[in-house]
Amino acid sequence: EAQVTQNPRYLITVTGKKLTVTCSQNMNHEYMSWYRQDPGLGLRQIYYSMNVEVTDKGDVPEGYKVSRKEKRNFPLILESPSPNQTSLYFCASSPPGRNTEAFFGQGTRLTVV
Amino acid sequence: AQSVAQPEDQVNVAEGNPLTVKCTYSVSGNPYLFWYVQYPNRGLQFLLKYITGDNLVKGSYGFEAEFNKSQTSFHLKKPSALVSDSALYFCAVRDPNSGYSTLTFGKGTMLLVSP
Repeated sequence: EAQVTQNPRYLITVTGKKLTVTCSQNMNHEYMSWYRQDPGLGLRQIYYSMNVEVTDKGDVPEGYKVSRKEKRNFPLILESPSPNQTSLYFCASSPPGRNTEAFFGQGTRLTVV
Repeated sequence: AQSVAQPEDQVNVAEGNPLTVKCTYSVSGNPYLFWYVQYPNRGLQFLLKYITGDNLVKGSYGFEAEFNKSQTSFHLKKPSALVSDSALYFCAVRDPNSGYSTLTFGKGTMLLVSP
């Protein structure tokens, strides 16, 4: 089954404790992205990657890091999480081409206390 | 810069009645437009898209959307709503002339269908 898999689905952590949210897709897509979803703000892009070893900042990159060492994986790293990073996070992948739709993971609900 | 506006935070409709969820966009060229649906505790699911051609686009679950270039709108419609259509709906736009195919989303509209 074609899918984007995120782990964990739920995470509660403390301020400053480094964490990684994993994302993996099995569709051989070049493009991958991370979004955060907050009430009243919709989805905002954090980082994106056009291919292996090619990443760039989205609209809200502060406090986040990513890496793309393999085509299928695109982890999101919070090196020193803060409470304002409490949010619902989505990973997405899509084939090349601006007319293609994105496929989303199930989401990771992160709470930073 | 591209942007999307969904003017209604919530739309209420009775089951069996037609529904419309509104979306307007701003982009420099001819847009690529998308609708996604999010059910509780789930990721976003693709419903339909407009790329070019016929202004009326048909998608999943009986939904359709009408592209109106003069009004820069892409409203989502369904002739007869179901209670199971209750969910959060997102409109998204992509500028075909942008350097990267970034999707810009609206803030979302909650659709509530009452029995």
